[in-house]
Amino acid sequence: EDQVTQSPEALRLQEGESSSLNCSYTVSGLRGLFWYRQDPGKGPEFLFTLYSAGEEKEKERLKATLTKKESFLHITAPKPEDSATYLCAVQAPDTGFQKLVFGTGTRLLVSP
Amino acid sequence: GAGVSQSPRYKVAKRGQDVALRCDPISGHVSLFWYQQALGQGPEFLTYFQNEAQLDKSGLPSDRFFAERPEGSVSTLKIQRTQQEDSAVYLCASSLGGLTEAFFGQGTRLTVV
Repeated sequence: EDQVTQSPEALRLQEGESSSLNCSYTVSGLRGLFWYRQDPGKGPEFLFTLYSAGEEKEKERLKATLTKKESFLHITAPKPEDSATYLCAVQAPDTGFQKLVFGTGTRLLVSP
Repeated sequence: GAGVSQSPRYKVAKRGQDVALRCDPISGHVSLFWYQQALGQGPEFLTYFQNEAQLDKSGLPSDRFFAERPEGSVSTLKIQRTQQEDSAVYLCASSLGGLTEAFFGQGTRLTVV
């Protein structure tokens, strides 16, 4: 049973072409939804944590939003250095309090 | 240190060998996590420590996997009698408490041949 599904699997954008990545989840009693960035050969880098529906957080060209069923990572006017895999993860009582359940990620490629 | 440090970065083991993977968390971080990441997949939880106490080991795939953190700082993940399916990147993460802003290391890539 999939608990975290990310789409699309891969996304190719031109520099400056804004878009959104989706993370849908099926856990109940969400305690937190996490976004990470992962570059090839490196560990995930923390971006955001969202705790309740309606919450939004921003960092440079990235904005994360949360509803009761999904989260979006909006990328505004991306640059080539934004190319990476973006991972979404959830923390919920039925997954274990100190356990993150990750999606498979969205591979983003931004071309100059 | 400045970040979570894992060693070795790469490990090639013959099937049946035992391996030990080391994690040096950020100084003062209470929580420590181990994850396994297969190629093209998201990380999967293995185990969690709060200081020296292993509070959750529900993700360890088999009894060949063992983790310890005896003094509440450095942790070691040991895999006995390695199998090909153990080939993956093993990630360690630490945080001041719980899952709030957990910092990951660069991982150890284990290849079992």
